[in-house]
Amino acid sequence: LAKTTQPISMDSYEGQEVNITCSHNNIATNDYITWYQQFPSQGPRFIIQGYKTKVTNEVASLFIPADRKSSTLSLPRVSLSDTAVYYCLVGLFTGGGNKLTFGTGTQLKVEL
Amino acid sequence: NAGVTQTPKFQVLKTGQSMTLQCAQDMNHEYMSWYRQDPGMGLRLIHYSVGAGITDQGEVPNGYNVSRSTTEDFPLRLLSAAPSQTSVYFCASSSRTGGNQPQHFGDGTRLSIL
Repeated sequence: LAKTTQPISMDSYEGQEVNITCSHNNIATNDYITWYQQFPSQGPRFIIQGYKTKVTNEVASLFIPADRKSSTLSLPRVSLSDTAVYYCLVGLFTGGGNKLTFGTGTQLKVEL
Repeated sequence: NAGVTQTPKFQVLKTGQSMTLQCAQDMNHEYMSWYRQDPGMGLRLIHYSVGAGITDQGEVPNGYNVSRSTTEDFPLRLLSAAPSQTSVYFCASSSRTGGNQPQHFGDGTRLSIL
């Protein structure tokens, strides 16, 4: 299983761009990279997923270099409501079963 | 939209008791999983299922049993509760269709074992 390493915590201010990097040196060829957000007393919520290069949706961008050994979640113009734990997930969940591994997550704190 | 529903939300057990954590999804997802979340440990996979009648072990399966008799339901059974099983338990589901689909999580069951 591909292990992931993320910073334990990050602090930011409202309106700033936040970049959270995840290392996954032993990522397998078929693995996808998925990011989740979790608020206290709630289950994780899907943010974005990618395989290579760059993926963008309405809430975030995901940058994946050519070697795929790391990835960066970019949150543009964060607000107080973005304060949460962000998980980087690497694996494959099709066909033969669940091979997903959650990292320990990054606690993002956004202040005024 | 109900999504993934977990019951109960809170439970206190005594050591040695057994209980079943319920998980139901109404999205017709093939894949379902159980995770536990402990402080500082992130989420760890307990058991998973790729369809009705098929289950397999995850990272930390000891002390837990699962079964998948229907697509909708995936209960997690604690056979003989131990204090080390005090945790927050999350159930998740995802679709098999269309490639690597993201998982949808319930809001968890907070379990304390005395």
